[in-house]
Amino acid sequence: EDQVTQSPEALRLQEGESSSLNCSYTVSGLRGLFWYRQDPGKGPEFLFTLYSAGEEKEKERLKATLTKKESFLHITAPKPEDSATYLCAVQVGQGAQKLVFGQGTRLTINP
Amino acid sequence: NAGVTQTPKFRILKIGQSMTLQCAQDMNHNYMYWYRQDPGMGLKLIYYSVGAGITDKGEVPNGYNVSRSTTEDFPLRLELAAPSQTSVYFCASSYSTSRGNEQFFGPGTRLTVL
Repeated sequence: EDQVTQSPEALRLQEGESSSLNCSYTVSGLRGLFWYRQDPGKGPEFLFTLYSAGEEKEKERLKATLTKKESFLHITAPKPEDSATYLCAVQVGQGAQKLVFGQGTRLTINP
Repeated sequence: NAGVTQTPKFRILKIGQSMTLQCAQDMNHNYMYWYRQDPGMGLKLIYYSVGAGITDKGEVPNGYNVSRSTTEDFPLRLELAAPSQTSVYFCASSYSTSRGNEQFFGPGTRLTVL
Protein backbone atom coordinates (compact mmCIF):
# COMPACT_ATOMS: atom_id res chain seq x y z
CA GLU A 1 0.00 0.00 0.00
CA ASP A 2 1.28 3.44 -0.92
CA GLN A 3 2.02 5.44 2.20
CA VAL A 4 3.41 8.88 3.06
CA THR A 5 4.45 9.87 6.59
CA GLN A 6 5.54 13.36 7.60
CA SER A 7 7.47 14.38 10.71
CA PRO A 8 7.29 16.19 12.96
CA GLU A 9 3.54 16.84 13.18
CA ALA A 10 4.22 20.34 14.46
CA LEU A 11 7.35 22.49 14.69
CA ARG A 12 7.82 25.83 16.38
CA LEU A 13 10.91 27.89 15.50
CA GLN A 14 12.24 31.32 16.24
CA GLU A 15 12.66 33.70 13.32
CA GLY A 16 16.01 32.95 11.66
CA GLU A 17 16.27 29.44 13.15
CA SER A 18 16.81 26.98 10.27
CA SER A 19 15.37 23.46 10.31
CA SER A 20 14.11 20.60 8.13
CA LEU A 21 10.81 18.81 7.65
CA ASN A 22 10.79 15.12 6.73
CA CYS A 23 8.58 13.15 4.34
CA SER A 24 9.05 9.35 4.24
CA TYR A 25 7.29 7.32 1.58
CA THR A 26 6.69 3.75 0.46
CA VAL A 27 5.25 3.49 -3.03
CA SER A 28 5.37 0.99 -5.85
CA GLY A 29 7.26 3.13 -8.33
CA LEU A 30 7.68 6.83 -7.55
CA ARG A 31 6.49 9.01 -10.40
CA GLY A 32 6.85 12.31 -8.61
CA LEU A 33 7.01 13.79 -5.11
CA PHE A 34 5.25 17.07 -4.44
CA TRP A 35 5.48 19.69 -1.72
CA TYR A 36 2.56 22.02 -1.04
CA ARG A 37 2.02 24.87 1.39
CA GLN A 38 -1.40 25.30 3.02
CA ASP A 39 -2.45 28.40 4.94
CA PRO A 40 -5.37 28.17 7.42
CA GLY A 41 -8.73 28.13 5.68
CA LYS A 42 -7.21 27.90 2.19
CA GLY A 43 -6.42 25.29 -0.42
CA PRO A 44 -2.90 23.88 -0.86
CA GLU A 45 -0.45 25.91 -2.93
CA PHE A 46 2.16 24.15 -5.06
CA LEU A 47 5.83 24.53 -4.11
CA PHE A 48 7.97 21.82 -5.77
CA THR A 49 7.99 18.60 -7.75
CA LEU A 50 10.91 16.15 -7.45
CA TYR A 51 11.29 13.13 -9.72
CA SER A 52 14.45 11.22 -8.90
CA ALA A 53 16.85 10.58 -6.03
CA GLY A 54 19.48 13.29 -5.73
CA GLU A 55 17.29 16.00 -7.20
CA GLU A 56 17.07 19.35 -5.39
CA LYS A 57 14.91 22.43 -5.96
CA GLU A 58 14.97 25.83 -4.28
CA LYS A 59 12.56 28.71 -3.86
CA GLU A 60 13.47 31.66 -1.66
CA ARG A 61 14.15 30.23 1.84
CA LEU A 62 12.97 26.73 0.93
CA LYS A 63 14.94 23.84 -0.53
CA ALA A 64 13.51 20.40 -1.24
CA THR A 65 15.67 17.29 -1.61
CA LEU A 66 14.85 13.69 -2.50
CA THR A 67 16.36 10.29 -1.71
CA LYS A 68 15.01 6.83 -2.55
CA LYS A 69 13.00 6.68 0.68
CA GLU A 70 12.39 10.23 1.83
CA SER A 71 12.32 13.91 1.04
CA PHE A 72 13.36 16.87 3.12
CA LEU A 73 12.10 20.42 3.04
CA HIS A 74 14.86 22.63 4.40
CA ILE A 75 13.89 26.06 5.67
CA THR A 76 16.75 28.54 5.97
CA ALA A 77 16.45 31.64 8.19
CA PRO A 78 12.65 31.46 8.24
CA LYS A 79 10.37 34.46 8.68
CA PRO A 80 6.95 34.60 10.38
CA GLU A 81 5.27 34.59 6.95
CA ASP A 82 6.65 31.07 6.40
CA SER A 83 4.22 29.84 9.07
CA ALA A 84 1.87 27.32 7.42
CA THR A 85 1.17 23.62 7.11
CA TYR A 86 3.49 21.91 4.65
CA LEU A 87 2.10 18.89 2.83
CA CYS A 88 4.05 16.20 1.03
CA ALA A 89 2.42 13.98 -1.62
CA VAL A 90 3.52 11.22 -3.98
CA GLN A 91 2.12 10.52 -7.43
CA VAL A 92 0.89 6.99 -8.00
CA GLY A 93 -0.49 5.18 -11.00
CA GLN A 94 -0.46 5.94 -14.69
CA GLY A 95 -2.36 8.68 -16.46
CA ALA A 96 -4.17 11.03 -14.11
CA GLN A 97 -2.02 12.56 -11.41
CA LYS A 98 -3.41 10.67 -8.42
CA LEU A 99 -1.69 11.94 -5.29
CA VAL A 100 -1.30 10.29 -1.89
CA PHE A 101 -0.77 12.93 0.79
CA GLY A 102 0.96 12.84 4.14
CA GLN A 103 -0.75 14.37 7.15
CA GLY A 104 1.33 17.53 7.01
CA THR A 105 3.72 19.42 9.29
CA ARG A 106 2.34 22.54 10.97
CA LEU A 107 5.18 25.07 11.09
CA THR A 108 5.07 28.16 13.32
CA ILE A 109 7.75 30.85 13.13
CA ASN A 110 7.82 33.18 16.11
CA PRO A 111 9.14 36.74 15.60
CA ASN B 1 -8.36 33.98 -14.63
CA ALA B 2 -10.37 33.03 -11.57
CA GLY B 3 -8.55 29.66 -11.35
CA VAL B 4 -10.52 27.01 -9.45
CA THR B 5 -13.71 28.20 -7.78
CA GLN B 6 -15.90 26.29 -5.32
CA THR B 7 -19.36 26.96 -3.94
CA PRO B 8 -20.63 27.09 -1.28
CA LYS B 9 -17.86 28.00 1.18
CA PHE B 10 -19.75 26.62 4.17
CA ARG B 11 -22.75 24.34 4.56
CA ILE B 12 -24.52 22.55 7.39
CA LEU B 13 -26.58 19.47 6.47
CA LYS B 14 -28.85 17.26 8.49
CA ILE B 15 -28.30 13.50 8.40
CA GLY B 16 -29.94 12.04 5.33
CA GLN B 17 -30.03 15.26 3.31
CA SER B 18 -28.36 15.56 -0.09
CA MET B 19 -26.36 18.34 -1.70
CA THR B 20 -24.07 19.15 -4.59
CA LEU B 21 -20.71 20.84 -4.16
CA GLN B 22 -19.87 22.92 -7.18
CA CYS B 23 -16.42 23.23 -8.76
CA ALA B 24 -15.39 25.16 -11.85
CA GLN B 25 -12.06 26.00 -13.48
CA ASP B 26 -11.24 28.44 -16.28
CA MET B 27 -7.74 27.19 -17.14
CA ASN B 28 -8.88 24.66 -19.75
CA HIS B 29 -7.44 21.80 -17.68
CA ASN B 30 -8.45 18.30 -18.69
CA TYR B 31 -7.85 16.71 -15.30
CA MET B 32 -9.99 17.52 -12.27
CA TYR B 33 -10.05 16.04 -8.78
CA TRP B 34 -12.06 16.03 -5.56
CA TYR B 35 -10.36 15.60 -2.18
CA ARG B 36 -11.52 15.65 1.40
CA GLN B 37 -9.40 16.80 4.34
CA ASP B 38 -10.25 15.82 7.89
CA PRO B 39 -8.80 17.80 10.85
CA GLY B 40 -5.05 17.26 11.25
CA MET B 41 -4.95 14.94 8.25
CA GLY B 42 -3.73 15.09 4.71
CA LEU B 43 -5.99 15.11 1.69
CA LYS B 44 -7.68 11.95 0.45
CA LEU B 45 -8.77 11.56 -3.18
CA ILE B 46 -12.51 10.93 -3.63
CA TYR B 47 -12.99 10.99 -7.42
CA TYR B 48 -11.12 12.27 -10.41
CA SER B 49 -11.78 12.96 -14.09
CA VAL B 50 -9.43 12.90 -17.08
CA GLY B 51 -11.84 14.73 -19.35
CA ALA B 52 -15.49 15.47 -20.09
CA GLY B 53 -17.57 12.31 -19.74
CA ILE B 54 -14.80 10.32 -18.00
CA THR B 55 -14.65 9.84 -14.23
CA ASP B 56 -13.07 7.30 -11.91
CA LYS B 57 -12.94 6.44 -8.21
CA GLY B 58 -10.18 7.54 -5.90
CA GLU B 59 -9.28 6.31 -2.45
CA VAL B 60 -12.54 7.15 -0.59
CA PRO B 61 -15.48 7.23 -3.08
CA ASN B 62 -18.24 5.68 -0.96
CA GLY B 63 -21.19 8.02 -0.36
CA TYR B 64 -20.27 10.34 -3.24
CA ASN B 65 -21.00 10.68 -6.93
CA VAL B 66 -19.56 12.88 -9.66
CA SER B 67 -20.27 13.87 -13.23
CA ARG B 68 -18.25 15.76 -15.83
CA SER B 69 -20.38 17.06 -18.68
CA THR B 70 -18.05 19.95 -19.58
CA THR B 71 -14.31 20.64 -19.33
CA GLU B 72 -14.97 23.48 -16.88
CA ASP B 73 -17.27 21.91 -14.29
CA PHE B 74 -16.89 18.94 -11.94
CA PRO B 75 -19.68 18.78 -9.33
CA LEU B 76 -19.58 16.41 -6.36
CA ARG B 77 -22.88 14.96 -5.17
CA LEU B 78 -23.49 13.75 -1.60
CA GLU B 79 -26.48 11.45 -1.24
CA LEU B 80 -27.86 10.65 2.22
CA ALA B 81 -25.35 12.74 4.19
CA ALA B 82 -23.76 11.10 7.23
CA PRO B 83 -21.72 12.60 10.12
CA SER B 84 -18.64 10.80 8.72
CA GLN B 85 -18.82 13.13 5.72
CA THR B 86 -18.13 16.17 7.90
CA SER B 87 -14.93 17.49 6.35
CA VAL B 88 -13.38 20.18 4.18
CA TYR B 89 -13.70 19.40 0.48
CA PHE B 90 -11.19 20.63 -2.07
CA CYS B 91 -11.48 20.58 -5.83
CA ALA B 92 -8.33 20.71 -7.96
CA SER B 93 -7.35 20.70 -11.62
CA SER B 94 -4.22 20.08 -13.67
CA TYR B 95 -2.96 19.89 -17.23
CA SER B 96 -3.04 16.61 -19.08
CA THR B 97 0.22 14.89 -18.38
CA SER B 98 1.53 11.59 -17.15
CA ARG B 99 4.12 13.25 -14.98
CA GLY B 100 4.43 15.97 -12.47
CA ASN B 101 2.30 18.95 -13.42
CA GLU B 102 1.06 20.87 -10.41
CA GLN B 103 -2.51 20.64 -9.27
CA PHE B 104 -4.29 23.96 -8.70
CA PHE B 105 -6.63 23.88 -5.72
CA GLY B 106 -9.82 25.76 -4.97
CA PRO B 107 -10.49 27.47 -1.62
CA GLY B 108 -12.52 24.58 -0.25
CA THR B 109 -16.03 23.90 1.05
CA ARG B 110 -16.43 23.29 4.79
CA LEU B 111 -19.28 20.80 5.31
CA THR B 112 -20.81 19.84 8.64
CA VAL B 113 -23.35 17.02 8.92
CA LEU B 114 -25.40 17.01 12.12
